[in-house]
Amino acid sequence: AAGVIQSPRHLIKEKRETATLKCYPIPRHDTVYWYQQGPGQDPQFLISFYEKMQSDKGSIPDRFSAQQFSDYHSELNMSSLELGDSALYFCASSAPGTGDYNEQFFGPGTRLTVL
Amino acid sequence: AQSVSQHNHHVILSEAASLELGCNYSYGGTVNLFWYVQYPGQHLQLLLKYFSGDPLVKGIKGFEAEFIKSKFSFNLRKPSVQWSDTAEYFCAVSSFGNEKLTFGTGTRLTIIP
Repeated sequence: AAGVIQSPRHLIKEKRETATLKCYPIPRHDTVYWYQQGPGQDPQFLISFYEKMQSDKGSIPDRFSAQQFSDYHSELNMSSLELGDSALYFCASSAPGTGDYNEQFFGPGTRLTVL
Repeated sequence: AQSVSQHNHHVILSEAASLELGCNYSYGGTVNLFWYVQYPGQHLQLLLKYFSGDPLVKGIKGFEAEFIKSKFSFNLRKPSVQWSDTAEYFCAVSSFGNEKLTFGTGTRLTIIP
């Protein structure tokens, strides 16, 4: 079965650079979630989108922005990168209103390292 | 705001031992409860979930969990663990109508052959 696809899988950036992470949800899933998992920490919710509109916002820095496109893929844009942004960034997708309501399927993550 | 507590940070067991990982949550309304597993170097995978109905839920790989509303708990159990169960286990909660997941800090499970 198709899963959530994230690209790139690994990304190395310097401080103050920008990064763009991409997430392709499972086909027919219309909701995308972004989570950040720092080293040895639990995943923290950043932001979510439903039908291309932001549906919820968590602890996402102002330096970060995200959007969902017409094909439901989502991009997380990160500017002025800091060392503390080094983390594993997970994307998840779900299809609310179906039998899988509230179940999120996670992608493999993008490991961002800021030097 | 909801929060999740996992009391065991690192659990070490021998193969065939029984497992119970604690999870408590705080939230005043209706919740959905989840256990996710993260094998080394891999992404989060859903082990089991509770939405409503029978408070004892069975998941994949022989895991089960019991929702005890009066104790705000959703402990994970497995009667006999295997070396392949070595992983990080996360308890998570979402509130009805709000799908974002709030995770606990995770429990690292190490199974000794």
